[in-house]
Parts: sequence; C-alpha cells; structure tokens
Amino acid sequence: EAQVTQNPRYLITVTGKKLTVTCSQNMNHEYMSWYRQDPGLGLRQIYYSMNVEVTDKGDVPEGYKVSRKEKRNFPLILESPSPNQTSLYFCASSLNRVFGNTIYFGEGSWLTVV
Amino acid sequence: KNEVEQSPQNLTAQEGEFITINCSYSVGISALHWLQQHPGGGIVSLFMLSSGKKKHGRLIATINIQEKHSSLHITASHPRDSAVYICAVFNYQLIWGAGTKLIIKP
Repeated sequence: EAQVTQNPRYLITVTGKKLTVTCSQNMNHEYMSWYRQDPGLGLRQIYYSMNVEVTDKGDVPEGYKVSRKEKRNFPLILESPSPNQTSLYFCASSLNRVFGNTIYFGEGSWLTVV
Repeated sequence: KNEVEQSPQNLTAQEGEFITINCSYSVGISALHWLQQHPGGGIVSLFMLSSGKKKHGRLIATINIQEKHSSLHITASHPRDSAVYICAVFNYQLIWGAGTKLIIKP
C-alpha cells in the first residue's frame, strides 16, 4: 500500500529540546516536502527535496533543518524548538515536482512546544 | 491579494444537497489539485486536473484554464463529506488555497 509515514503523531516538548520528526515513503518518490499548518494560515512549505542530497528552503524554513540521505526518508529537525513552532506538521511526497503529480500526505504530527 | 482564492470559506448544508466549492487563481499553472482534509487532520488527494473535468463517485472537479477557475462539486452530499477542501495550483511550486470548511448536517 502506498504510504507516507510520519512519527511521532503527537508530541509535547519543552523549549530548546532538540527533536526530530521522521518521514518515510514507500513509493520511490523523488520529491518530498514538509509543511506546517496553522489556524487561518493554511499549509505553508518549510523545506522540500527534489531528490537524494538535494534540499531547498520553502516559505518558512527558519528554525528547521532537513536531510535527505536516502530516497525514502526525509526527517524534519527542530534544533531548538520554540513555542511559535507549535503546529500541525505534514510530510508529503510525489513522483516528482515537474508536472504536478498526485501528492501523498502523511497523517500529520501534532507538535506542542511549551 | 492571494494567488489562490477559495470560496466560500465556510459552507453548511443539509444532507442530500448539491455542493459547489470554487477556486480561482491568478497565475499560469500546469496542474490544479483538490484535496480533502478530514476532521482528524489527515489530507487526501482527490483530483489533479490540467484541463476539462474529472469524476470520482459523487465528486466532480472541473477546470477552466482560460478563466483561471476550478470548481469541486459534491452530489447527494452526506455527513461523511464534512471536511476541509483545499485547492492547490502547480506553477513551478505548489500554491495553496486557504481551504473551504464544509459541514453537512443530517
């Protein structure tokens, strides 16, 4: 079954404590992306990756890091989380970005930073 | 002005009604996506359109490239259709609409 898997689904953490949200897809997709969703603001892209070892900033990259060492995995790293990073996070993947292929989303990760 | 505008922002209807959600955009695009976000948060891709019309079950999506407009229709609406419907256009990158919150009352 085609899947994008994110973990953890729910997390409460404290300011400054590094955390990683993992994302894995089983469809051999080249393109992967992270979004955050906040009330009234819709989906905003944090980082994206066109392929292994190729990553780039989206619209709201501050405070986040990513890596793409393998095609299937695209972890999101919060080195020093702050309360303004409390949000719902989605990982997404598609075959590639060029022609707007079907997008597959993970279930979402609810992150609270206190 | 946002590059992708959805209307209405909120819509409440009775079960069985015909539903229309609109998406207008101001940039040239190669594809338009309609997605559904369930109350629990998960997002599912419904359609990807570059021209014409697509149908899946009770859902119909149309796009008019010249008018830069797309509509998502739901026939014989049901309470399980209650969700947020999101339009996104592809123009070198995805540009997201703010979503339309749909509530179908039994």
